Amino acid sequence: DQQVKQNSPSLSVQEGRISILNCDYTNSMFDYFLWYKKYPAEGPTFLISISSIKDKNEDGRFTVFLNKSAKHLSLHIVPSQPGDSAVYFCAARAPGGATNKLIFGTGTLLAVQP
Amino acid sequence: ETGVTQSPTHLIKTRGQQVTLRCSSQSGHNTVSWYQQALGQGPQFIFQYYREEENGRGNFPPRFSGLQFPNYSSELNVNALELDDSALYLCASSQKRTSQETQYFGPGTRLLVL
Repeated sequence: DQQVKQNSPSLSVQEGRISILNCDYTNSMFDYFLWYKKYPAEGPTFLISISSIKDKNEDGRFTVFLNKSAKHLSLHIVPSQPGDSAVYFCAARAPGGATNKLIFGTGTLLAVQP
Repeated sequence: ETGVTQSPTHLIKTRGQQVTLRCSSQSGHNTVSWYQQALGQGPQFIFQYYREEENGRGNFPPRFSGLQFPNYSSELNVNALELDDSALYLCASSQKRTSQETQYFGPGTRLLVL
């Protein structure tokens, strides 16, 4: 049962344009969402997060939008740069208990063309 | 501030053997989580350790076990290795608080079971 879904395995955009990565989830109890970026041979690097009580969080070129009614979040990268080329994972925190357990999507490979 | 480190970087074992993977958490972090990332998938939560005790577990069999030490470093032990255990094993550390905390990942240990 995939509770966090990233339906686009890959995305290609031109340098300077906007990259939009999408993520859907099924569990309305998730209370915190995160985006991680992963380069080959490295661990995931934290990018940006959003609490379920907000609908937008911005950090420089990165903005995450949360639509709770649609159980959908998206990551916008503006402007996209070649160094942004990586696999992007959406993750949700499962609430309840003492465990800060993250549930990840399968990732979207972003390729930014110069 | 030192980040999360893991050792070894790569490991080859044969079916039925046992393996120990090691993780040093980021300075100031008291919680360590372990994840398994199979090829083409997102990381899957194995378990979490907080103050040297297991603090939650994902859908992994008991042959996956762990330890956390007083300095907050951690080990993941896998007994009776199976071919499907071949994956990237990621360690993540965080500073446990009542509000949302971000997990920071190490570079991972790539395990190949032959």
